[in-house]
Amino acid sequence: NAGVTQTPKFQVLKTGQSMTLQCAQDMNHNSMYWYRQDPGMGLRLIYYSASEGTTDKGEVPNGYNVSRLNKREFSLRLESAAPSQTSVYFCASSAWREFSDYEQYFGPGTRLTVT
Amino acid sequence: GENVEQHPSTLSVQEGDSAVIKCTYSDSASNYFPWYKQELGKRPQLIIDIRSNVGEKKDQRIAVTLNKTAKHFSLHITETQPEDSAVYFCAASTYAGGTSYGKLTFGQGTILTVHP
Repeated sequence: NAGVTQTPKFQVLKTGQSMTLQCAQDMNHNSMYWYRQDPGMGLRLIYYSASEGTTDKGEVPNGYNVSRLNKREFSLRLESAAPSQTSVYFCASSAWREFSDYEQYFGPGTRLTVT
Repeated sequence: GENVEQHPSTLSVQEGDSAVIKCTYSDSASNYFPWYKQELGKRPQLIIDIRSNVGEKKDQRIAVTLNKTAKHFSLHITETQPEDSAVYFCAASTYAGGTSYGKLTFGQGTILTVHP
């Protein structure tokens, strides 16, 4: 049981390049999330998927797109990377059954630098 | 949307002392309040959570209190140890219905340092 996995662990991009961050979970969770973490700003929600087939914007969605490929996988795409997107990106998942199972389990993170 | 403010941003204590971190939230519909611990270079992990129908919850050396009227909640760590050194995040969400359903809004984080 690997929990939540993310690839890659590190990435350096030049301004304007594109890339996709991959996330997968093996806990049969319904909900999945993408966060970015910047110093002094906590974790900010980029996009989330409450269940397979649905995605919604979070607090900071501009410059990103997501795909919920199936129940296990949720990818985050940067179409044209900008230096402001330099950050650590975390994927998370949760069962989020109403009135139970709210814990979000996080992946190990991807450290992205855009030059 | 929900806004969560967390204080202090840094906290330094001696081993054995108590540590208290406070958070305020803005959305009165929020009813689920977790706390996450993040060690350096690691992923955040849930350490304790509380729902709005409960005023206090304890788990060994950690406790969380909630004041719904004032819209604030606090993390209390007693008998601190060096391994408690980490960044702590509070968060708020709505666990049953509503437009915030399932989304966590995090505070800015508190860097706790426990000196031996």
